[in-house]
Amino acid sequence: AQSVAQPEDQVNVAEGNPLTVKCTYSVSGNPYLFWYVQYPNRGLQFLLKYITGDNLVKGSYGFEAEFNKSQTSFHLKKPSALVSDSALYFCAVRDINSGYALNFGKGTSLLVTP
Amino acid sequence: NAGVTQTPKFRVLKTGQSMTLLCAQDMNHEYMYWYRQDPGMGLRLIHYSVGEGTTAKGEVPDGYNVSRLKKQNFLLGLESAAPSQTSVYFCATKRTSGWSTDTQYFGPGTRLTVL
Repeated sequence: AQSVAQPEDQVNVAEGNPLTVKCTYSVSGNPYLFWYVQYPNRGLQFLLKYITGDNLVKGSYGFEAEFNKSQTSFHLKKPSALVSDSALYFCAVRDINSGYALNFGKGTSLLVTP
Repeated sequence: NAGVTQTPKFRVLKTGQSMTLLCAQDMNHEYMYWYRQDPGMGLRLIHYSVGEGTTAKGEVPDGYNVSRLKKQNFLLGLESAAPSQTSVYFCATKRTSGWSTDTQYFGPGTRLTVL
């Protein structure tokens, strides 16, 4: 089965500092990996995806993610955090056995303090 | 374009009552999905549809039924609601051709409480 894991329930970072939200994956074949963000009482918004090609993927709002095949990781990063980045972040992997649905991690709550 | 919309936004049911959640999309996407979100569990797939008139079970289908009579609408039904179905329900859509066929687009969610 295709799955992802987010080892941290919460990440705290000071505004202006770099942030990392971790994700590891377990898939058979080539992984299709995604990051989504959820602001309070809102739906999920797409941030970025890795399909193939360059291991460093750039996405919305200044976020980027690094695909590491040897470590089976797809960590989300941002060089300088903003208070407005505080939200719930989900890593996901495409499941070809369920109509290309997404298998999500449990989510990581990011809190950026002023 | 409205994108993906969900009706209703909030609902409170008593155990045993029934209801239908509506997902509507104006993006002409073929694939549609229903997920539920529970604290600490991420999103889990309930049912999905790969086209008009087709549906299939996902990870947690028990207690739910779905229908896709029209391409733009995907309905999720609860025939006899249970407290375990208290959750936030999200609909998502995906295209199958053209640009960015892998990205799913989510609706705003329906918060359901079953007492």
